[in-house]
Amino acid sequence: AQSVSQHNHHVILSEAASLELGCNYSYGGTVNLFWYVQYPGQHLQLLLKYFSGDPLVKGIKGFEAEFIKSKFSFNLRKPSVQWSDTAEYFCAVNAEGYSTLTFGKGTMLLVSP
Amino acid sequence: EAQVTQNPRYLITVTGKKLTVTCSQNMNHEYMSWYRQDPGLGLRQIYYSMNVEVTDKGDVPEGYKVSRKEKRNFPLILESPSPNQTSLYFCASSLYTGGIYNEQFFGPGTRLTVL
Repeated sequence: AQSVSQHNHHVILSEAASLELGCNYSYGGTVNLFWYVQYPGQHLQLLLKYFSGDPLVKGIKGFEAEFIKSKFSFNLRKPSVQWSDTAEYFCAVNAEGYSTLTFGKGTMLLVSP
Repeated sequence: EAQVTQNPRYLITVTGKKLTVTCSQNMNHEYMSWYRQDPGLGLRQIYYSMNVEVTDKGDVPEGYKVSRKEKRNFPLILESPSPNQTSLYFCASSLYTGGIYNEQFFGPGTRLTVL
């Protein structure tokens, strides 16, 4: 079965700090990977996705993620966070042969001004 | 505007009183899904549908029913709600063609409280 693990439940940063949120999945085959963001009181929105090709993918609002197959990881990064990045971030995986999207438990990011 | 709509957005009910949460999408997506979101547990899939008249259980289907009679609609039915079904529910839809799974578009959520 596919599963996703997000390392940090809560992260607190000051504005302009760099961000890296960890995500590991368990599946040995082909995967599609996603990062979603949920701003306070809102629904989930897609930040970025990886299907194939360049393992470094760029998303909206300056976010990027790197797929490292050997480490089963898809970590999310941003060089300089803003107060408006305060939100909950979810990593998700769809493994080949599965008809479902499995989400991690989420990481709550709080950026202090 | 492409969107997924859910109704109602907020609902307070009592144990055992049947309810339906509607979900509709206007993007002609094949795949639709229901999730519940609980603090510390993230999103867990309840049911999904890969096309009309095709539904399947997700990770937490107990106590829920769904139907997919039309491509655009995917209602979630709680026949006899219980307090442990108090949660935030999201409907989502996506393209699903040739076995390739695409990004999901989420509805605004329905906050359900069962007393």
